[in-house]
Amino acid sequence: DAKTTQPNSMESNEEEPVHLPCNHSTISGTDYIHWYRQLPSQGPEYVIHGLTSNVNNRMASLAIAEDRKSSTLILHRATLRDAAVYYCILRMRDQLIWGAGTKLIIKP
Amino acid sequence: GAVVSQHPSRVICKSGTSVKIECRSLDFQATTMFWYRQFPKQSLMLMATSNEGSKATYEQGVEKDKFLINHASLTLSTLTVTSAHPEDSSFYICSARDQGNEQYFGPGTRLTVT
Repeated sequence: DAKTTQPNSMESNEEEPVHLPCNHSTISGTDYIHWYRQLPSQGPEYVIHGLTSNVNNRMASLAIAEDRKSSTLILHRATLRDAAVYYCILRMRDQLIWGAGTKLIIKP
Repeated sequence: GAVVSQHPSRVICKSGTSVKIECRSLDFQATTMFWYRQFPKQSLMLMATSNEGSKATYEQGVEKDKFLINHASLTLSTLTVTSAHPEDSSFYICSARDQGNEQYFGPGTRLTVT
């Protein structure tokens, strides 16, 4: 199965941009790249997803490398409420293949 | 956006008893729902895929007789943990897939078996 690799944790200052990297070197041509985030004791929350082109929404931006072997989730201005575990996930047909995620710590 | 609810949010039960967890898609129909389990400081682990009107598909290592899944309608799936033991204590999360193939997650159910 295709897998994703993310740093265990990252720190950022409040109100600064955050770039969360993800490697998925074994991605296949039909796998979508999804990002979810999870606060403690809550279910995952959808953030963004894409296939080949960069994507923007009200929460974040997703930059996908040309070879699709890596991607970066960009939070343009982090707030304390963005502190969570961020999961970079490949969607293969029906299933979401979950990695370990990155714990994002926001410093005030 | 699409909303998925779970009930109960927390449950404590005694060892040997059974517990039922409900997962509902509130504003959309979901032919497919998924059940996950998450242990502390770990990622989500898919337990089973539930299709409306048919038997669930269980992941390797998940006992189908212990974790009974019923998906009787397009908006409701239930997970019953039978003869629960302390090692079944975990955070159980469901998700529902809409017609656009996106998955929306419930808030989770914290099960504690004493």
